[in-house]
Amino acid sequence: QVQLQESGPGLVKPSETLSLTCAVSGGSIINNWWNWVRQPPGKGLEWIAEIYHSGITNYNPSLKSRITMSVDKSKNQFSLKLTSVTAADTAVYYCARSPGSWFYDFWGRGTLVTVSS
Amino acid sequence: QSALTQPPSASGSPGQSVTISCTGTSSDVGGYNYVSWYQQHPGKAPKVIIYEVSKRPSGVPDRFSGSKSGNTASLTVSGLQAEDEADYYCSSHAGSNNPFVFGTGTKVTVL
Repeated sequence: QVQLQESGPGLVKPSETLSLTCAVSGGSIINNWWNWVRQPPGKGLEWIAEIYHSGITNYNPSLKSRITMSVDKSKNQFSLKLTSVTAADTAVYYCARSPGSWFYDFWGRGTLVTVSS
Repeated sequence: QSALTQPPSASGSPGQSVTISCTGTSSDVGGYNYVSWYQQHPGKAPKVIIYEVSKRPSGVPDRFSGSKSGNTASLTVSGLQAEDEADYYCSSHAGSNNPFVFGTGTKVTVL
C-alpha cells in the first residue's frame, strides 16, 4: 500500500517561502505523477501542481509565477516551494498520487500551513 | 480556469438516493472522460470513489455510481447510509495547461 507523508513548517511569515516535502513509501516514485492540492480552512480543494519522476512539471496557471516543484528519486520524495506567501495561502496542503487518467488514488494526511507574522 | 459548479448541499434519509451534479464546460467536463469524485469526511483527506466518469476503485461500494451528459457529470449515492455523510468533490481534466480542476463541493447530510 502506497503511503504519502507531508512535512514542513506549520507557520510561515508573510512574503516568505513555503517549503513542503512529501515522502513516498510502499511504492516507487517512478512512473506516476505526484501532486500538491490545498484546502483553505472551511473551503474547497485547489490543485496546485504536479511533477513526473523525470522532472516534467505542470503548474496551476494562477500560482505558476510563485511555484517550484522538484523530485528526488534517490529519496523517493518530492517537494513544493511557494514564494511570496500571503494569508490567502493558509491552507491544509495535501500531496497525492495520480496514476494516470487524471485522478488521485493515494493521498497524504495533509499538513496545515498558516501564514502569519 | 473556474471551479466546476456543484450544489452546496444535498440530503436524504437512510435508504434513499441522492444525486449530485457537477457542471463545467466543453473545455473540461464536456471535453474529456476524466471526471473523478472524492468523498471527504471532516478532518480527513479526500478519498476517490469514482474515476473516469463511472469507474469505481476496488473497495468502493456499488452504491456509488457516476455518469456524464454533455458538460455535466453526476454522482448518485443509492441506499444512503449514515457513513455517507461527508463532503463530495468532483474533478475533471481541463487540458494540458491545467490538468486538474475541482468542483466547489457538496455537503451531503443523511437525515
